[in-house]
Amino acid sequence: NAGVMQNPRHLVRRRGQEARLRCSPMKGHSHVYWYRQLPEEGLKFMVYLQKENIIDESGMPKERFSAEFPKEGPSILRIQQVVRGDSAAYFCASSPPGQGGVYGNTIYFGEGSWLTVV
Amino acid sequence: QKEVEQNSGPLSVPEGAIASLNCTYSDRGSQSFFWYRQYSGKSPELIMSIYSNGDKEDGRFTAQLNKASQYVSLLIRDSQPSDSATYLCAVNWDAGNNRKLIWGLGTSLAVNP
Repeated sequence: NAGVMQNPRHLVRRRGQEARLRCSPMKGHSHVYWYRQLPEEGLKFMVYLQKENIIDESGMPKERFSAEFPKEGPSILRIQQVVRGDSAAYFCASSPPGQGGVYGNTIYFGEGSWLTVV
Repeated sequence: QKEVEQNSGPLSVPEGAIASLNCTYSDRGSQSFFWYRQYSGKSPELIMSIYSNGDKEDGRFTAQLNKASQYVSLLIRDSQPSDSATYLCAVNWDAGNNRKLIWGLGTSLAVNP
């Protein structure tokens, strides 16, 4: 499967625990995006990363949330001390290098990770 | 503040009809435009991208872009019940190295058999 791979697909955490969501981009893609979607709400941008760099984290909550995309391995979205309000679908997307400009930035989504905080 | 607006719907059309979905955006510098479809409980999937004024057709889907009026639309011909989903409009402007897309909240489409 050459698509964007996310795991786990479903994760249940108790309040105060940590959640780690992983994303492996499509083969050849070097840009990763994380989005959050609350039930019955729109898609909210969280963070955009390239290998070893955070390009835009304007959508990340100031506390408890962090993201990384190391040189080797998947991108990780980490949520510390989860609260009920963190329950949502978290989507990762990726895009290839060399895009941008007038031909835009086509991104492809993984199947998502559904976090439930109990 | 760059914004993308869509009517939330629901837009209800009978099977076989043409569904017309509209999206407006605030930034005149926007350069590329995307339509995604999202079924309930699933991730968004790309339907079409469009970069130039005019129409772009792909099967039953036609994207229309009018940069002067700052809108982009998606037409779905011969609508099928399987087209029932939320349609998301996304817009990209080139701001240096930042490729962040700006998303609308989506239009819910219901195709009635």
